Amino acid sequence: DAKTTQPTSMDCAEGRAANLPCNHSTISGNEYVYWYRQIHSQGPQYIIHGLKNNETNEMASLIITEDRKSSTLILPHATLRDTAVYYCIVRVSNYGGSQGNLIFGKGTKLSVKP
Amino acid sequence: GAGVSQSPSNKVTEKGKDVELRCDPISGHTALYWYRQSLGQGLEFLIYFQGNSAPDKSGLPSDRFSAERTGGSVSTLTIQRTQQEDSAVYLCASSLARTDNSPLHFGNGTRLTVT
Repeated sequence: DAKTTQPTSMDCAEGRAANLPCNHSTISGNEYVYWYRQIHSQGPQYIIHGLKNNETNEMASLIITEDRKSSTLILPHATLRDTAVYYCIVRVSNYGGSQGNLIFGKGTKLSVKP
Repeated sequence: GAGVSQSPSNKVTEKGKDVELRCDPISGHTALYWYRQSLGQGLEFLIYFQGNSAPDKSGLPSDRFSAERTGGSVSTLTIQRTQQEDSAVYLCASSLARTDNSPLHFGNGTRLTVT
């Protein structure tokens, strides 16, 4: 089962910041938080990931609370092309320190409106 | 650079036939994953390869499903005696390193329709 909780859907006005919340209260100290999005008929697209510190790249920012029990993905200036399902995933370390699987939940359907 | 490539992009087959789905990972990526996504559903993990070995096959739904990887590169997912419930998009992903700090990069999938 996914270790995260996300709202089912959210709306955002074009040009405004989209703030997508995620709860992961059972996260362990060595587990990363990953964000992906899926636009209709395409494979999931990697956005960003982090462990403890806040992260920023050309697509988005990831804010992780100090207790690591929740995080927020920020799209600073949402466009219509950002309409997608956004997945917050806690990567489970299954393999004695090597790569863990990504277990996808239901995600948040973000609709960016003109 | 080139991303994960999957072929065919669409496959229609009759119930009972065998199908092979191919995945070409990003060059140099040692880990390879197969997922499937049924209509309107989330992604379901199938199998994970590290190099040519599969340390985690826990997601394969039945013994009709198998996968192999050769040369640490191309992988093939085979479904024998296909059933209508096998209809789904089959997604492949690869990642660079043997750590949880290495993102998976997905292809656009093969849409399988079993009639």
